[in-house]
Amino acid sequence: KQEVTQIPAALSVPEGENLVLNCSFTDSAIYNLQWFRQDPGKGLTSLLLIQSSQREQTSGRLNASLDKSSGRSTLYIAASQPGDSATYLCAVNTGGFKTIFGAGTRLFVKA
Amino acid sequence: KAGVTQTPRYLIKTRGQQVTLSCSPISGHRSVSWYQQTPGQGLQFLFEYFSETQRNKGNFPGRFSGRQFSNSRSEMNVSTLELGDSALYLCASSGTGTSSYNEQFFGPGTRLTVL
Repeated sequence: KQEVTQIPAALSVPEGENLVLNCSFTDSAIYNLQWFRQDPGKGLTSLLLIQSSQREQTSGRLNASLDKSSGRSTLYIAASQPGDSATYLCAVNTGGFKTIFGAGTRLFVKA
Repeated sequence: KAGVTQTPRYLIKTRGQQVTLSCSPISGHRSVSWYQQTPGQGLQFLFEYFSETQRNKGNFPGRFSGRQFSNSRSEMNVSTLELGDSALYLCASSGTGTSSYNEQFFGPGTRLTVL
């Protein structure tokens, strides 16, 4: 049974700091991994999608890596800003049209 | 291109009632998935539909059901509501639906409160 864990559960950093969010999964047989951002009470915004054959994806200040063999993904945020404050979720597509989510990392960027 | 829309955005019901939530996917998307999000359990997969067929379902009781119409719009129904059904219900759509390689796009959710 696939399980997805995100560490840390919460993180507070000063503005301008570079940071890394971690996601681990127990079964390496995945199709893709997607990182999302969720603002309080809102839906999810897709940030990056990494296919199982890829090692990383970049979008602006965000870079996501994937190491299937070790069951890990990281989301790197460069030069963090107060507007980056949100909950970040990783989700693993296990095939069978089913997606398993981690519990998320709540990020607070202090101005 | 319009995003995923969900109606209603907020709903208040009492125990024992039933509720129907609606989701309209991005134009051209044929796969719709539903999720329940609660503070205690996080985001949990309910079911996925493609071309009016349910292809997978999560571990929820039979009170939770869904369907998809020929225009890809989807509805989910919860019967005999319980207090524990209070949650944010999210719908996601993805592209062709013929493979598991597609990016999912989420709607704003329906906040259901059961009193």
